[in-house]
Amino acid sequence: DAGVIQSPRHEVTEMGQEVTLRCKPISGHNSLFWYRQTMMRGLELLIYFNNNVPIDDSGMPEDRFSAKMPNASFSTLKIQPSEPRDSAVYFCASSLLPDPGSGNTIYFGEGSWLTVV
Amino acid sequence: AQKVTQAQTEISVVEKEDVTLDCVYETRDTTYYLFWYKQPPSGELVFLIRRNSFDEQNEISGRYSWNFQKSTSSFNFTITASQVVDSAVYFCALSINDRGSTLGRLYFGRGTQLTVWP
Repeated sequence: DAGVIQSPRHEVTEMGQEVTLRCKPISGHNSLFWYRQTMMRGLELLIYFNNNVPIDDSGMPEDRFSAKMPNASFSTLKIQPSEPRDSAVYFCASSLLPDPGSGNTIYFGEGSWLTVV
Repeated sequence: AQKVTQAQTEISVVEKEDVTLDCVYETRDTTYYLFWYKQPPSGELVFLIRRNSFDEQNEISGRYSWNFQKSTSSFNFTITASQVVDSAVYFCALSINDRGSTLGRLYFGRGTQLTVWP
């Protein structure tokens, strides 16, 4: 079975440019998460969708960040305009929730490594 | 509030040594799940194990074993006879089972960098 698929794997962009990160969750999963990993803050949740609806976006840093989930098989995280401090690894993850059988296990993609110069 | 503490930032061992990674968690919920994830140098996050709060049985999977103790709020991870390929960052995480907005989200520790030398 295919896991969570993210693209691009690596992106280098100039400050001020728009960045779009893409995610395809595991088929059948109803919850999708965007996490960001930095040395300073570790792994932090940015936003969480359930059945394509944003449930908790309290972790989104500021208005420059936006996320959408137009259907059950696709999500985007957009940064506009990008800044050097946005450089991080962005992980998309998916799960079937609630699912007592799986214990709400969340499966991660390989991450998108973003560098803003 | 939920919190996960991994006090060991870095651990170095020589191959074939046993190593234990500590994890202490905080939550007021009675139903919760604990996880360990591995992040190898390639960067992906790999799910290793899940434990629910009602199951305190220790688990063994090959060279890996996990010790869950509710009395001390700990979920420690032991690698027996470590190998170079075990070198990675290991994350402990907590998920609670409420039906509010936090359902399913993971609260991560800061991770422990394990280096296994040949």
